[in-house]
Amino acid sequence: GDSVTQMEGPVTLSEEACLTINCTYTATGYPSLFWYVQYPGEGLQLLLKATKADDKGSNKGFEATYRKETTSFHLEKGSVQVSDSAVYFCALSLMEYGNKLVFGAGTILRVKS
Amino acid sequence: DVKVTQSSRYLVKRTGEKVFLECVQDMDHENMFWYRQDPGLGLRLIYFSYDVKMKEKGDIPEGYSVSREKKERFSLILESASTNQTSMYLCASDNYLRTKNTEAFFGQGTRLTVV
Repeated sequence: GDSVTQMEGPVTLSEEACLTINCTYTATGYPSLFWYVQYPGEGLQLLLKATKADDKGSNKGFEATYRKETTSFHLEKGSVQVSDSAVYFCALSLMEYGNKLVFGAGTILRVKS
Repeated sequence: DVKVTQSSRYLVKRTGEKVFLECVQDMDHENMFWYRQDPGLGLRLIYFSYDVKMKEKGDIPEGYSVSREKKERFSLILESASTNQTSMYLCASDNYLRTKNTEAFFGQGTRLTVV
């Protein structure tokens, strides 16, 4: 079945450090890929997305590139802030079934000042 | 702004009780979803609905049912709550079928504890 694997956390970084959270997927079709973020006490919100190979999604300094050859969608940021502390979820959706999302386990990011 | 509102942030229920979790969205979205969130497992889809009175099973529907009598409201029902249903429940909605916008909007979640 379709699945998403992302690196285990928690990831603890100092402010202004570089961030990479790895995400790989398995899908029977050609999925759209997403990163969602969950800040403490809140629901999930879309951070960025990509719908086809080699697309780059970006938002708030975060980036991820859809790599079909390696079935990956790694999240990167050049300089993290304390306010980036949250749980990050990689997800896929095969649109022929409607927008049903398959999520990874989530990665906790803690940024220290 | 799209708003998805879940009726309770925290609930404590007894084993065997019938439990209703309510979700309302205010942006006329066709699609609505119920997920449960557990540490190390991410979010897993319980049920979803593409239209009023329509429902489809997700990946883990056992022990749950749903109701969608109005477009804006999607209820999750635990017929007889059990301790293994202690979890965070998240409702979501989107408008993909009409607009092809793939962004899902989530409520704040209901943390349910079954004792």
